[in-house]
Amino acid sequence: KNQVEQSPQSLIILEGKNCTLQCNYTVSPFSNLRWYKQDTGRGPVSLTIMTFSENTKSNGRYTATLDADTKQSSLHITASQLSDSASYICVVKGEKLTFGTGTRLTIIP
Amino acid sequence: DAGVIQSPRHEVTEMGQEVTLRCKPISGHDYLFWYRQTMMRGLELLIYFNNNVPIDDSGMPEDRFSAKMPNASFSTLKIQPSEPRDSAVYFCASSLDRGFSEQYFGPGTRLTVT
Repeated sequence: KNQVEQSPQSLIILEGKNCTLQCNYTVSPFSNLRWYKQDTGRGPVSLTIMTFSENTKSNGRYTATLDADTKQSSLHITASQLSDSASYICVVKGEKLTFGTGTRLTIIP
Repeated sequence: DAGVIQSPRHEVTEMGQEVTLRCKPISGHDYLFWYRQTMMRGLELLIYFNNNVPIDDSGMPEDRFSAKMPNASFSTLKIQPSEPRDSAVYFCASSLDRGFSEQYFGPGTRLTVT
């Protein structure tokens, strides 16, 4: 069964600190993996997409990694800001899209 | 472009009533998706259209749910009759191509069925 599991479910960190969110998947065949950011009360917005051949991709303070062998991805946020408070959703495309349930990140001043 | 537009933003209705949610995709996007999001289950794909034609409705929970796309700029998701367990946020999204390229989500409709 295709599954996407994200951890932790929720995370609280101090402003300025770094954090890493995890996404493990069992989707096969694998096409790509996308990270979305969802602010409270809004729809998800794409942060980055990872294909099979990509190991690391950065988008500003966000860096995504992909290990296709172990079927794991991570999203690292550097020097967190209050505006980073949101849910982060991992979505894996195989024959269909499979969504993770997200990590709720809270940045406190 | 204004992005994906959904209406209403909030809907409160009583059990048994009909509910219609509306969506206007981004102009030029050939794919339109309807999602439901709850705390327990996260985002779930209900149905998607390509060029106004329903392609996969396997995520539609039951016959009480129906979706239409009469033209390229408008889609509806209808629940009849509504039940309390239908309470959720319903998102509409659109994208350019079949490869599930980046989907652009609307702001969502928060539905509460009492």
